[in-house]
Amino acid sequence: SYVLTQTPSVSVGPGQTARVTCGGDKIGTKSVHWYQQKPGQAPVLVVYDDFYRPAGIPERFSGSNSGNTATLTISKVEVGDEADYYCQLWDSSSEHMVFGGGTKLTVL
Amino acid sequence: QARLVQSGAELQKPGASVRVSCKTSGYTFIGHYIHWVRQAPGQGLEWVGRINPNNGGTNYAQQFQGRVTLTRDTSITTAYMDLTGLRFDDTAVYYCARESPNSNQDFDVWGQGTMVTVSS
Repeated sequence: SYVLTQTPSVSVGPGQTARVTCGGDKIGTKSVHWYQQKPGQAPVLVVYDDFYRPAGIPERFSGSNSGNTATLTISKVEVGDEADYYCQLWDSSSEHMVFGGGTKLTVL
Repeated sequence: QARLVQSGAELQKPGASVRVSCKTSGYTFIGHYIHWVRQAPGQGLEWVGRINPNNGGTNYAQQFQGRVTLTRDTSITTAYMDLTGLRFDDTAVYYCARESPNSNQDFDVWGQGTMVTVSS
């Protein structure tokens, strides 16, 4: 089965840029989605299809995907961005949804 | 706007079964797959399966095969997840989520989650 690998934690200061990575075999050939989850809340879609932002998501959130790594970039990080971030894709060969293990973003 | 509202928290004993409902509104129910995702305390997101509300077709994650059944009632635009043979490690928040119109299986709307606790 397809596996997505995320770094467990990332720490940045306010105003800096945070990069959350998601590794997978030839992930650049697949469509990757990213979710933000704050404690006690349901996940929220922040990037879909590698780099598109849903309505209402700030431009500070951007995505890229190439080779074996997809990346969620959060520029000018704010305290309110502190959350867990998950990557996700549909593995069409197995018809299964796959989530990465999640990355905890801490804003120092 | 699209909305998913789930049933309330459940406390079940090991070996029992649980049904969680997901009432949808604000969009065409049969036009979007409904997925179920769970999250054990302090853990990440785990996909359970999906149902096509149009024809009832389902896909299940390997680890839940034989224990989970997804159904829907189109007359009341509601999806259901039945999980049998409950174990302690089934304790988790269970979410339903709508597959978006983007057609690449991202989830644009989520339910609020249902806490299922398995305890003797």
